[in-house]
Amino acid sequence: EPEVTQTPSHQVTQMGQEVILRCVPISNHLYFYWYRQILGQKVEFLVSFYNNEISEKSEIFDDQFSVERPDGSNFTLKIRSTKLEDSAMYFCASSQYSNQPQHFGDGTRLSIL
Amino acid sequence: AQTVTQSQPEMSVQEAETVTLSCTYDTSESDYYLFWYKQPPSRQMILVIRQEAYKQQNATENRFSVNFQKAAKSFSLKISDSQLGDAAMYFCAYRSSTSYNNNDMRFGAGTRLTVKP
Repeated sequence: EPEVTQTPSHQVTQMGQEVILRCVPISNHLYFYWYRQILGQKVEFLVSFYNNEISEKSEIFDDQFSVERPDGSNFTLKIRSTKLEDSAMYFCASSQYSNQPQHFGDGTRLSIL
Repeated sequence: AQTVTQSQPEMSVQEAETVTLSCTYDTSESDYYLFWYKQPPSRQMILVIRQEAYKQQNATENRFSVNFQKAAKSFSLKISDSQLGDAAMYFCAYRSSTSYNNNDMRFGAGTRLTVKP
């Protein structure tokens, strides 16, 4: 069964540095999402992406964050000038259409030192 | 804004027994989707079951079934014949279906399920 893949599984970065989290959505999916889960807390929506543009974003997704689909397969989340509170599990998800279930990747654990 | 509430931070069940996890939500919309996701210690997010609000029939997926009470805005998950592999964090989630621009999911705080052998 096709799946969403995320790399790396664990990223350790110094505070203030930029980090790029990578995702390969399921190939025939059109909608892409990023979520964040701070340790011990609920999963929070960050952003959704469709037709090469952001379709919706939460209040968490400020100017520090950006997303990109640089080619036909990858979907990236860039976090600039990372802060300690950016430490979390970041999940990528994709769905074929907006009304279809979202399939999640295994997540990238981001640790900011 | 839509909110999802899971009032049980932790639940436990004996292996082979049945357990029900509660979820309530708040919305003014009439059409939406509800989901239960399972998050084992590996931290993956695995879709367990899905319910469309316009369907009266409760969704069932093998040992997993839901009790969807639209008027009460309740969406509980029943796990029958619990297995050790069911031990995980379970998240209830809501997603609007009114437009493609409103497709973010709102998650509850989660219920940690322990299965006792």
